[in-house]
Amino acid sequence: KNEVEQSPQNLTAQEGEFITINCSYSVGISALHWLQQHPGGGIVSLFMLSSGKKKHGRLIATINIQEKHSSLHITASHPRDSAVYICAVRSSPSGSRLTFGEGTQLTVNP
Amino acid sequence: DTEVTQTPKHLVMGMTNKKSLKCEQHMGHRAMYWYKQKAKKPPELMFVYSYEKLSINESVPSRFSPECPNSSLLNLHLHALQPEDSALYLCASSQVAATSGNTIYFGEGSWLTVV
Repeated sequence: KNEVEQSPQNLTAQEGEFITINCSYSVGISALHWLQQHPGGGIVSLFMLSSGKKKHGRLIATINIQEKHSSLHITASHPRDSAVYICAVRSSPSGSRLTFGEGTQLTVNP
Repeated sequence: DTEVTQTPKHLVMGMTNKKSLKCEQHMGHRAMYWYKQKAKKPPELMFVYSYEKLSINESVPSRFSPECPNSSLLNLHLHALQPEDSALYLCASSQVAATSGNTIYFGEGSWLTVV
């Protein structure tokens, strides 16, 4: 079992739909990152969370430390949101390593 | 400036060639990373530099040789690579390596093809 599990693996939505991507992890963490990767390759850091909730534009990220679970929500989805979304955790305060989930491929159709 | 700049974007090299990938950031970050990513897989950590010193080598074959000439630059020297080394190589940086509160910034990556 991977230390970081994402669901779903693939998600297809219609423009305007509300989208949720889930991340569960099995280790103690000091921080959780949500990353976005477009087909061109570059990775953009969307959020870093250690507790609670963060919002940036149409994106919302939440984390429940007790349940070891985080969600990424996209409101009013748009085709330009089509990308791979990756959850990554830093497993200890002194750790330099990120443990990545397998990613969620999101396709938003017009 | 929140950019990590990688060059070249694409590289095709033969198995006997020597080439280098370059990475640059001007955010004052003291931790820099090399990741390797195969298609449809998450990135895999290769090396971590902290304050210009190599702090983590994830048992990477010696045909990959990292170098950190100064706090803004990170190179990955490539020699005698194999076709299975073809991948996207991502550079990243953060303020310091071992603090939970750091956002990590990634570059656009260098697509490497070994023929």
